[in-house]
Amino acid sequence: EVQLVESGGGLVQPGGSLRLSCTASGFTFSSYAMSWVRQAPGKGLEWVSGISGSGGSTYYADSVKGRFTISRDNSKNTLYLQMNSLRAEDTAEYYCAKVESCVVYWGQGSLVTVSS
Amino acid sequence: QPVLTQSSSASASLGSSVKLTCTLSSGHSSYIIAWHQQPPGKAPRYLMKLEDSGSYNKGSGVPDRFSGSSSGADRYLTISNLQSEDEADYYCETWDSKTRVFGGGTKLTVL
Repeated sequence: EVQLVESGGGLVQPGGSLRLSCTASGFTFSSYAMSWVRQAPGKGLEWVSGISGSGGSTYYADSVKGRFTISRDNSKNTLYLQMNSLRAEDTAEYYCAKVESCVVYWGQGSLVTVSS
Repeated sequence: QPVLTQSSSASASLGSSVKLTCTLSSGHSSYIIAWHQQPPGKAPRYLMKLEDSGSYNKGSGVPDRFSGSSSGADRYLTISNLQSEDEADYYCETWDSKTRVFGGGTKLTVL
């Protein structure tokens, strides 16, 4: 059974940093691209970043480019999202997602709140 | 990059059928999309991948009541024999080589 478990969310001040982790199980992690998708309170889904199975290719939404970094450790079956220079508008539930062309499996989410 | 347009809300009666629409932007009418369901307060769930031909491939455990179809730039999700647990937000998704895009979502109310 596929499982994606996010961790690392919490309350952070504007300008601060946070690193999210997503631990995967139930599939061959290194064979699949992964993505982070977020959802601001009461709003729709917004793709944030994606990474290839090897980690050699990374992609970002314009809203986070230069501030967020996606990475993965295939030996630990773990996906990361390093978030720097956080803003109030980054407040959202962050979902880790397994990708097979489209998103085919979602994690349960990790809440990030950016507030002073 | 492609843009996906969805109606903000829809409603239908228990036991009836409803057809939700996701429209691809000009120049992107051949794109494959996916449908996702998000019940209130829960994480999204993958429903199906839908091609421009109308062929679709559902995720594991998705009931037979859910089906997909296509016409031009429009992609449809049809839910038959509506149940109370179908009340949720429904999102379409598409992608290209470097980005992934979601529609604004349709809030489905089961009356």
